[in-house]
Amino acid sequence: RKEVEQDPGPFNVPEGATVAFNCTYSNSASQSFFWYRQDCRKEPKLLMSVYSSGNEDGRFTAQLNRASQYISLLIRDSKLSDSATYLCVVNDFSASKIIFGSGTRLSIRP
Amino acid sequence: GAGVSQSPSNKVTEKGKDVELRCDPISGHTALYWYRQRLGQGLEFLIYFQGNSAPDKSGLPSDRFSAERTGESVSTLTIQRTQQEDSAVYLCASSLFVGLAGTYNEQFFGPGTRLTVL
Repeated sequence: RKEVEQDPGPFNVPEGATVAFNCTYSNSASQSFFWYRQDCRKEPKLLMSVYSSGNEDGRFTAQLNRASQYISLLIRDSKLSDSATYLCVVNDFSASKIIFGSGTRLSIRP
Repeated sequence: GAGVSQSPSNKVTEKGKDVELRCDPISGHTALYWYRQRLGQGLEFLIYFQGNSAPDKSGLPSDRFSAERTGESVSTLTIQRTQQEDSAVYLCASSLFVGLAGTYNEQFFGPGTRLTVL
């Protein structure tokens, strides 16, 4: 089993829709979590951290479910500019490892 | 302030040649990572440096790949006897120390080196 798994997609949704995707992780000792965004032919950039209580940043909501070992990203009122690959990142302090998922491709159509 | 820089931005080489890729991390970042990303694929971890600790080389795909880092500064990734399957974008990232509880561990990526092996 991969340490971090994501549905590769692509998710193809109309502008204005709400879309959500999950990421599962295998190591219960993992301690911090992030979502990164990668535009086509660009480097990944941090989108948002994921806190235990869940957190929101504008149209984006991130949640963590430790019991089931997954994190989620919800995008409301999607924009064309949201089209990108979303990478889930898990940080295991004890092992000093940061692990990237392979990404979920999102495409927003007009 | 300066971000992570990588050079060259593009490298075209012939099969069998050696290549050296360079990464300059953000000053003060003790953790440095190398990743490989093939076209349309996710990030593939290669190697990780953390301060003076022994590097985590668990992601290196073969003994043709090696990397060095001078203290907490520049790193070079060397690929010997390049093969066509080595063609990819090689990304470097740096972050603050990994391992301290509460440390914000955002990785900052360089723009990558696009390697093409003919």
